[in-house]
Amino acid sequence: AQKITQTQPGMFVQEKEAVTLDCTYDTSDQSYGLFWYKQPSSGEMIFLIYQGSYDEQNATEGRYSLNFQKARKSANLVISASQLGDSAMYFCAMRELSNFGNEKLTFGTGTRLTIIP
Amino acid sequence: KAGVTQTPRYLIKTRGQQVTLSCSPISGHRSVSWYQQTPGQGLQFLFEYFSETQRNKGNFPGRFSGRQFSNSRSEMNVSTLELGDSALYLCASGRTGNHEQYFGPGTRLTVT
Repeated sequence: AQKITQTQPGMFVQEKEAVTLDCTYDTSDQSYGLFWYKQPSSGEMIFLIYQGSYDEQNATEGRYSLNFQKARKSANLVISASQLGDSAMYFCAMRELSNFGNEKLTFGTGTRLTIIP
Repeated sequence: KAGVTQTPRYLIKTRGQQVTLSCSPISGHRSVSWYQQTPGQGLQFLFEYFSETQRNKGNFPGRFSGRQFSNSRSEMNVSTLELGDSALYLCASGRTGNHEQYFGPGTRLTVT
């Protein structure tokens, strides 16, 4: 069975600093995808970044990068130059890809990030 | 391009009643997934539909059901509501072969 672990329930970070949100995962599947989503207080889940298990390079999307360490089964999200608007819940999620058409995402418990001005 | 829409946004129901939630995916997306989010259980997968067929189902009782129409719009139904069904219900749409899934704003259901 798949499992996602996010060990930081909450984090406080000074504006403009970089922040790393931790995520470890467990799966027996060889082909999988890892996702990060942001959920502001409004409730909508906003897709941030994706990393495939066979991708050799770490994914980057603007200020977001994913530090993927396959042997350690970790997929940490790094946000550079944090902004006040980054304050939100952040969820790590995984999807098994070997079963074609399986869209099911397994989520971690989330990290509440608060940016301090 | 319009995003995923969910209606209604907020709903208050009484125990024992039933409720139907609607989700319209992004144009061209044929896969729709539903999730329940509660403070205690977090985000849990309910089911997924593709081309009007349920492709995947989570570990929820039979009171939770869904369907998908030929235009890819999806509905989920919860019968005999319980207090524990109070949650944010999120739907996501995706295009098979593309890893991204886009979520709607959610329907916040309160059962009293």
